[in-house]
Amino acid sequence: KQEVTQIPAALSVPEGENLVLNCSFTDSAIYNLQWFRQDPGKGLTSLLLIQSSQREQTSGRLNASLDKSSGRSTLYIAASQPGDSATYLCAVQSYGGSQGNLIFGKGTKLSVKP
Amino acid sequence: ETGVTQTPRHLVMGMTNKKSLKCEQHLGHNAMYWYKQSAKKPLELMFVYNFKEQTENNSVPSRFSPECPNSSHLFLHLHTLQPEDSALYLCASSLPGQVPVGELFFGEGSRLTVL
Repeated sequence: KQEVTQIPAALSVPEGENLVLNCSFTDSAIYNLQWFRQDPGKGLTSLLLIQSSQREQTSGRLNASLDKSSGRSTLYIAASQPGDSATYLCAVQSYGGSQGNLIFGKGTKLSVKP
Repeated sequence: ETGVTQTPRHLVMGMTNKKSLKCEQHLGHNAMYWYKQSAKKPLELMFVYNFKEQTENNSVPSRFSPECPNSSHLFLHLHTLQPEDSALYLCASSLPGQVPVGELFFGEGSRLTVL
């Protein structure tokens, strides 16, 4: 059974720092991995989708990498800003899973201090 | 502005009440989903609809009853709920009928409190 873990559960950094969020998954048989952002009490915003054949994806100050064989992904945020404060979730779609059955981690709550 | 709109954003109901959550998407998608996000638990898939037909029920109790009258609208009818059903209910949409599904687009969620 696929399990997704995100460490740390919470992270606080000063503005301007570069930071890395971690996501690990137990079964490497995945189609893709997706990173989301969730603001308090709000829905999810898709940030980056990495296909299993890809190594990384970039969008602005965000860079996500995927090492499928080791079951790990990282989300790198450059030059962090207070507006980046949110919970970041990663989710995988596994072989044998049904449509839309993303397996989510519990998230990393990021706080960027001015 | 999100392409997936959920109403109400907040709902408080007693265990004997009947209420409904509504989701509407303006993205031209034909697959819609209900997810549940409980405190301190990962998001869980509840139901999947493709072209108005339910294609997945992830062992959800019958006190939750989904309805999809067309590809743009999805409802979740609630009755005789329990306090442990209190959660954020998220609707999502995507292109239809695929595994993997590709990118999912989520609504803002409906925060449900059952007293």
